[in-house]
Amino acid sequence: AQKVTQAQTEISVVEKEDVTLDCVYETRDTTYYLFWYKQPPSGELVFLIRRNSFDEQNEISGRYSWNFQKSTSSFNFTITASQVVDSAVYFCALRRRDKIIFGKGTRLHILP
Amino acid sequence: SAVISQKPSRDICQRGTSLTIQCQVDSQVTMMFWYRQQPGQSLTLIATANQGSEATYESGFVIDKFPISRPNLTFSTLTVSNMSPEDSSIYLCSVVSGSYEQYFGPGTRLTVT
Repeated sequence: AQKVTQAQTEISVVEKEDVTLDCVYETRDTTYYLFWYKQPPSGELVFLIRRNSFDEQNEISGRYSWNFQKSTSSFNFTITASQVVDSAVYFCALRRRDKIIFGKGTRLHILP
Repeated sequence: SAVISQKPSRDICQRGTSLTIQCQVDSQVTMMFWYRQQPGQSLTLIATANQGSEATYESGFVIDKFPISRPNLTFSTLTVSNMSPEDSSIYLCSVVSGSYEQYFGPGTRLTVT
């Protein structure tokens, strides 16, 4: 069975703090893709990153970084020096073949 | 990346009526999907829209309730039939690009009264 778990339902941090969003996944497949999406209050779903199961390199994009560890089936997302505009719901997702499964999301509040 | 547009962006409908949502992509894509996001919830896959053949529905979703058309590689429609208040959701169209990235349209916010 495939499953994505985002244990943190809601997180609040003060602006400029760093924050890590956790994502744990379950799959029996050896080939799969992991994603992170951002859903701001406006509702659109913004693609942030895709990582395939053979690429365990961590990635940094500006203030965003992702830590993929197959040994613990985790794909965590860190925002450094958070800003109010980072306030949104963040979804982790797993795709096997042609189907993508989403976690329940983490609502992130960045307080000014 | 793929640019996806949806029409309408939002609608308020009466119980028992039907609404057809359109999804247009700016490039040809093989894989196109429809998702539902109920208020405060995550996204759930409704069906895969197959070009030239019937859509493939996920468990809990049926063709009579959510008929889907996909006449070509850039366009699809989802109809929400015989609506009830429980159908109030955001409906999103999604496509997979050539590099296996998956993009979503802006969504259609449906309220059923």
